[in-house]
Amino acid sequence: AQSVTQLGSHVSVSEGALVLLRCNYSSSVPPYLFWYVQYPNQGLQLLLKYTSAATLVKGINGFEAEFKKSETSFHLTKPSAHMSDAAEYFCAVSEPQGAQKLVFGQGTRLTINP
Amino acid sequence: GAVVSQHPSWVICKSGTSVKIECRSLDFQATTMFWYRQFPKQSLMLMATSNEGSKATYEQGVEKDKFLINHASLTLSTLTVTSAHPEDSSFYICSATNQGQGYGYTFGSGTRLTVV
Repeated sequence: AQSVTQLGSHVSVSEGALVLLRCNYSSSVPPYLFWYVQYPNQGLQLLLKYTSAATLVKGINGFEAEFKKSETSFHLTKPSAHMSDAAEYFCAVSEPQGAQKLVFGQGTRLTINP
Repeated sequence: GAVVSQHPSWVICKSGTSVKIECRSLDFQATTMFWYRQFPKQSLMLMATSNEGSKATYEQGVEKDKFLINHASLTLSTLTVTSAHPEDSSFYICSATNQGQGYGYTFGSGTRLTVV
């Protein structure tokens, strides 16, 4: 079975500061990994995904994540936070074959302080 | 890019009535659709997976007779909450994918269901 753990249900950073959202996964097979963002009362928007190609994945809005197999991690970073980054962020894992279901982490609420 | 349209965005219904939520893939064929439920300030919980033309596969603990899922075409899946009760009030989100199109999952904008 696969699982995802997001460390920190709430992260607060100042505008312009580094954003680091942590995600660790558990999977018996090489996983596909995803980061999604959710704004209030909306669906999920894909930020980036890892599908066994380059371990450093660049996404939209200046976000990137690095797949580290030895640490079973897929942390999300952004060098400089913007007020518009305030939202809920979800890390998710799936098996690589076929249209497999996504297993989500608990989510991390990111707050940006002016 | 891939777009999934979900309707309605919000609905209020009386206890005992049924509510249908639609999820449409607008510019791709969705071979597989997923339905999630999200409680306030919580993560998404997968309810069921449906493949076009097949019966949905429900997750453990999800009542298939209460949450009816139909995926009759490659562009449309529906979730019907039957005999709704206040405890069914939640945010429901669909997701669609086509394995042959770069392996992506596209999410609908969600439906806020309130049962009074």
